[in-house]
Amino acid sequence: QSVLTQPPSVSGAPGQRVTISCTGIPSNIGAGYDVHWYQQLPGTAPKLLIYHNNNRPSGVPDRFSGSKSGTSASLAISGLQAEDEADYYCQSYDSSLGGEVVFGGGTKLTVL
Amino acid sequence: QLHLQESGPGLVKPSGTLSLTCTVSGGSISMGAFYWSWIRQPPGKGLEWMGSIYYLGYTYDNPFLRSRVTLSIDTSRNQFSLNLNSVSATDTAVYYCVRQAQSNLDYQFDHWGQGMLVTVSS
Repeated sequence: QSVLTQPPSVSGAPGQRVTISCTGIPSNIGAGYDVHWYQQLPGTAPKLLIYHNNNRPSGVPDRFSGSKSGTSASLAISGLQAEDEADYYCQSYDSSLGGEVVFGGGTKLTVL
Repeated sequence: QLHLQESGPGLVKPSGTLSLTCTVSGGSISMGAFYWSWIRQPPGKGLEWMGSIYYLGYTYDNPFLRSRVTLSIDTSRNQFSLNLNSVSATDTAVYYCVRQAQSNLDYQFDHWGQGMLVTVSS
């Protein structure tokens, strides 16, 4: 069971906007630690999509955006495209048990 | 362009030790700004951070794996390594070597190796 909670799946039609939530607890997101997001296309390594809550690495389209509030964070994808179909993971830091990097369980995005 | 490449046996016997090495090219592992990490992904499942190492040898590991994980670094070869002992079938996974963007566990993983499937089976 993952420390950060994500919905197992979301879906949307091309052109639509979808959001993926990442819910934490007071010892991780709620403590103010940043959230990062990764996209994993089938059969490939994860790729950094959003860092420090709402920053995009060079080359990531501005259709992808992130936000954080309280003990939760969200990834939004607007103008959905077929190539966005992938697994998405959130990541943060948890200060309990001496400190560790934690991930969400992942969300499968299906483009209808 | 930074490149990370995992290497090691793809098959390990139960109760044995899983040993992987990550070779870094396109940049020096001795640059003090980063952590070098291992993340694994069982087939069909999510990501699990195993641990991170600094070029001076300081290590940080997953508290649930701490007793079985050993991380090491060889700056002369620009490599870092993972040893996981007492393996079982639940350790079957794709193992990724990864760079963390700052020497701080709060930061993002910005460069990933392609991953290596390690199967635990007799």
